[in-house]
Amino acid sequence: EAGVAQSPRYKIIEKRQSVAFWCNPISGHATLYWYQQILGQGPKLLIQFQNNGVVDDSQLPKDRFSAERLKGVDSTLKIQPAKLEDSAVYLCASSLKGATAKNIQYFGAGTRLSVL
Amino acid sequence: DQQVKQNSPSLSVQEGRISILNCDYTNSMFDYFLWYKKYPAEGPTFLISISSIKDKNEDGRFTVFLNKSAKHLSLHIVPSQPGDSAVYFCAASPYNAGGTSYGKLTFGQGTILTVHP
Repeated sequence: EAGVAQSPRYKIIEKRQSVAFWCNPISGHATLYWYQQILGQGPKLLIQFQNNGVVDDSQLPKDRFSAERLKGVDSTLKIQPAKLEDSAVYLCASSLKGATAKNIQYFGAGTRLSVL
Repeated sequence: DQQVKQNSPSLSVQEGRISILNCDYTNSMFDYFLWYKKYPAEGPTFLISISSIKDKNEDGRFTVFLNKSAKHLSLHIVPSQPGDSAVYFCAASPYNAGGTSYGKLTFGQGTILTVHP
């Protein structure tokens, strides 16, 4: 079974530029999550989709971050414009049953973003 | 406000001995707890979980203990192997109001485990 796919693996941009990340979840997984992991910290949830609807985006900096999940499968996360503090690994995860018992999430390898 | 804390940034253990990783939480609404393992350049992978109705869950060499009154959980790895060297994250999830679903995961900062041959 294929895992969660993310691209690109690495991205280096200058501040004020824009960047986009792509995620393809495990087939059949209804729920998709985007996390931000800053060096030395644990992953922090940015946004959660159930199919193509947003369940939780309370920690998404909406003035610069946006995300969409078209057709309830693939998802993109965009930052525009980027700031130095956005340097982090952006992880995508998916889960089969959504917000139900045993919320086991399966993670992709992440995209490492460096903002210079 | 860090609701899940792993106070030991790193732990070094000899192969064959026990590794004990600790995690504390502050939110009494947390009802389900998980441990994830992360190798460099890979995403976290699920290791073991425990519901608040239990105080112990075992899976092979891995055992998770939960002390609800102390708001503390620990992961025991026995015996430790060099391949266990990784970053370990604990995570917690509340049971949503209405008791119909679990909420989002809140992660600790992680503990780097190194198992020496």
